[in-house]
Amino acid sequence: GENVEQHPSTLSVQEGDSAVIKCTYSDSASNYFPWYKQELGKRPQLIIDIRSNVGEKKDQRIAVTLNKTAKHFSLHITETQPEDSAVYFCAAPDPNYGGSQGNLIFGKGTKLSVKP
Amino acid sequence: EPEVTQTPSHQVTQMGQEVILRCVPISNHLYFYWYRQILGQKVEFLVSFYNNEISEKSEIFDDQFSVERPDGSNFTLKIRSTKLEDSAMYFCASSVNGGAEQFFGPGTRLTVL
Repeated sequence: GENVEQHPSTLSVQEGDSAVIKCTYSDSASNYFPWYKQELGKRPQLIIDIRSNVGEKKDQRIAVTLNKTAKHFSLHITETQPEDSAVYFCAAPDPNYGGSQGNLIFGKGTKLSVKP
Repeated sequence: EPEVTQTPSHQVTQMGQEVILRCVPISNHLYFYWYRQILGQKVEFLVSFYNNEISEKSEIFDDQFSVERPDGSNFTLKIRSTKLEDSAMYFCASSVNGGAEQFFGPGTRLTVL
């Protein structure tokens, strides 16, 4: 089955700096990769996702890059702000559904702290 | 913007008791999911549901668990005889189709004493 590894587990940056979180996955059939942001005690919120037909996707200060050959994808946050502080989870779909749908396998999360 | 809703927000129960967690998925969504998150840990898949039947379930989803869509709007998770290790946040999610984005509800915090 799919295995998703996420690094680092904690990340502390100064306000205005960039933050990068990396994930690797094991099943080459996977072709959908979402990122969720979870603030303390709140629901995971989808912030960006990428499908394998593109290598990069950007939404304002957030971008995701995908390297299918190496089976890794990364979240990039530029000009970080204190409100970016949260736990970020990457995920990949269960390959039993062909890698593009169905239940998500989550990484262990990265706790991002942005210091003012 | 429509959201997934869940009730109750917090459920406290005694070990061995049955609990039912309720979810109302987004109205035009067809795929429904339950996940759980033990405090401080990652989100773990429990079960997916489509067309009134279970599509997939994880090893966590044993015989003590069941899901149901009793009407056109609710989606429920029942734990028949709760154990201490069932204490976790349970999230419901839905998506318009199987390959689309999943939107999560606010969760139900289950505490088993």
